[in-house]
Formats: sequence, structure tokens, C-alpha cells
Amino acid sequence: DAKTTQPTSMDCAEGRAANLPCNHSTISGNEYVYWYRQIHSQGPQYIIHGLKNNETNEMASLIITEDRKSSTLILPHATLRDTAVYYCLGSARQLTFGSGTQLTVLP
Amino acid sequence: GAVVSQHPSWVICKSGTSVKIECRSLDFQATTMFWYRQFPKQSLMLMATSNEGSKATYEQGVEKDKFLINHASLTLSTLTVTSAHPEDSSFYICSASRRLAETTDTQYFGPGTRLTVL
Repeated sequence: DAKTTQPTSMDCAEGRAANLPCNHSTISGNEYVYWYRQIHSQGPQYIIHGLKNNETNEMASLIITEDRKSSTLILPHATLRDTAVYYCLGSARQLTFGSGTQLTVLP
Repeated sequence: GAVVSQHPSWVICKSGTSVKIECRSLDFQATTMFWYRQFPKQSLMLMATSNEGSKATYEQGVEKDKFLINHASLTLSTLTVTSAHPEDSSFYICSASRRLAETTDTQYFGPGTRLTVL
């Protein structure tokens, strides 16, 4: 599994876009980039994943750089309920969780 | 779609007793199921990987005789914590892998089980 690096914490104003970066410079060619989030005392929630193309779903957008060494998760209009720890993972099968980014959405 | 349930959501037991936690994929058949443990203010740690009909693969440092995993069907895996002790108190989370259209499996997580051993 690729080692990923994320900022420890970030704040975002409610209604604004939240851009969460992730560095995964050691990712190999067949490893997908996955994003999950975990709200306190709950199981992680799947958000989105991608290989090399940018992806968008009803929750978020994922922008992957052309060299695949980093990516950015975008929550277009953050709400208070988006406050959570966000995990970026590089995986072909098994997930290895790092420390993630604590995103706090401020009113 | 892709709903995973766990039961119970929380359990309190006495030291020395055994506790069974169930993990079910409700609307899909899971190729593989995983068990994680999470201590307060820490990240998830993978305990074991489980495939239906075969023995689980445990991560280094996880005692297979203490954490018994049974994967009876493509929708059900159970984790039994045998002879539980206070240090086993933790948040246990399962996940189930689902193969989508592309060539990767995506893991969907259950809500977790809070175990407290007195």
C-alpha cells in the first residue's frame, strides 16, 4: 500500500468549498486513491475513489495530478455535518489507515 | 446500496467472558471481509482479512486464538473475542469488499461495535 501524507487538521467556513490535499508519491500504477471519512464514534464512510482520471459523485470531487503523486478531495459546499476525520488511502486491495485530516466546518 | 451492519452496536462484559460480534453485508455479496480495531484518538488498525469458506489471515501481533473469525457465507462474518480482558476494550469495525465495474474492490464499513470489558 502507498504511504500517504495529509495535514493534521483544517478549518473551513460553512457553505464554502473544502479542499483536502493528500500526498501519495509512492503510489504504484495499479493502486487506486480512496477517500473515506469518519465521524466520531462511527465506522468510516466511503466517499470516492479514482485511478488517474478526476472523479465526481454526489458527495465530492476527486482531483488527481497527472503524475498521480497527489490528489485533492473537494467538498463543494461544506456543511457542519461534514466535520469529520478524512482519510486518503492508496490501495489495490488492503487499506492501511494513516492519521487523516480533521476537518472542522465552522458556522 | 452497499450497506454493512454490525451487531451489537455496543456491549459490556465481564473479564474472562467471550463476546461475539456479527458483520453483515445487507445488499451485496462480499468477496472479502475485514476486521479493524480502533483505540481512542487513534486510527483504524487492521486485525484480519477473511474470505468465505477459508481461514482468516491475521495481521502481525494479532492473536488468532483470542480473536476467532468465522466467515460462514458471502454476507456474514463473525468476530469472537475469547476470554476478554479490560485491555481488549476498543471499537471494533468490520468492512466488506464489493467488486464494482472496474478492476478494484471497494470496502464499505459497518457502524462499529463498542466493547467494554469490566
